[in-house]
Amino acid sequence: AQSVSQHNHHVILSEAASLELGCNYSYGGTVNLFWYVQYPGQHLQLLLKYFSGDPLVKGIKGFEAEFIKSKFSFNLRKPSVQWSDTAEYFCAVWPGSSARQLTFGSGTQLTVLP
Amino acid sequence: NAGVTQTPKFQVLKTGQSMTLQCAQDMNHEYMSWYRQDPGMGLRLIHYSVGAGITDQGEVPNGYNVSRSTTEDFPLRLLSAAPSQTSVYFCASSKDSITYEQYFGPGTRLTVT
Repeated sequence: AQSVSQHNHHVILSEAASLELGCNYSYGGTVNLFWYVQYPGQHLQLLLKYFSGDPLVKGIKGFEAEFIKSKFSFNLRKPSVQWSDTAEYFCAVWPGSSARQLTFGSGTQLTVLP
Repeated sequence: NAGVTQTPKFQVLKTGQSMTLQCAQDMNHEYMSWYRQDPGMGLRLIHYSVGAGITDQGEVPNGYNVSRSTTEDFPLRLLSAAPSQTSVYFCASSKDSITYEQYFGPGTRLTVT
């Protein structure tokens, strides 16, 4: 079965620092990839997604992610974080084809210090 | 559009009680899912539905039942609550299986004592 690994469980940064959150998946075929964000007390929202084409995808609020097929990775980046980026970030994989389940990683809690 | 709505927001149950978590969406989405969120474990799929009358099990289905009699509603039933079911439950819907971009409800925080 496919799995999604987010190795950073808790990341603490100061404002204006650069961010990179790791995401690796185990599925070998064609995949669709997502990053979701959950702000404190709120429900999950889609940050960005990759289906095909340019492996560098841009999302909302200045976030971007790069799909590296050879490394089975889809890392999330932001050049300069803000206090308002404090949230939990989830990577998710949908293998496509006949699969009907979205598999989530365990999440990374990002705390941005003012 | 209200999007995906869930009721109740909070619930406390005693072991052995049963209850139904409600989920509704007004976006005419075919796909609906139930997840539970536990600390350090991310979201795990409980059950999902690809359309009215069609449901299937996810990763952690034991102790839960679902039905999908209409496109809009996808209730989750806890048959006999156990402390291990203490969690935050999210309902989600998506338009189709091509994009599988999911829209989440606000969640139900359930405590079983």
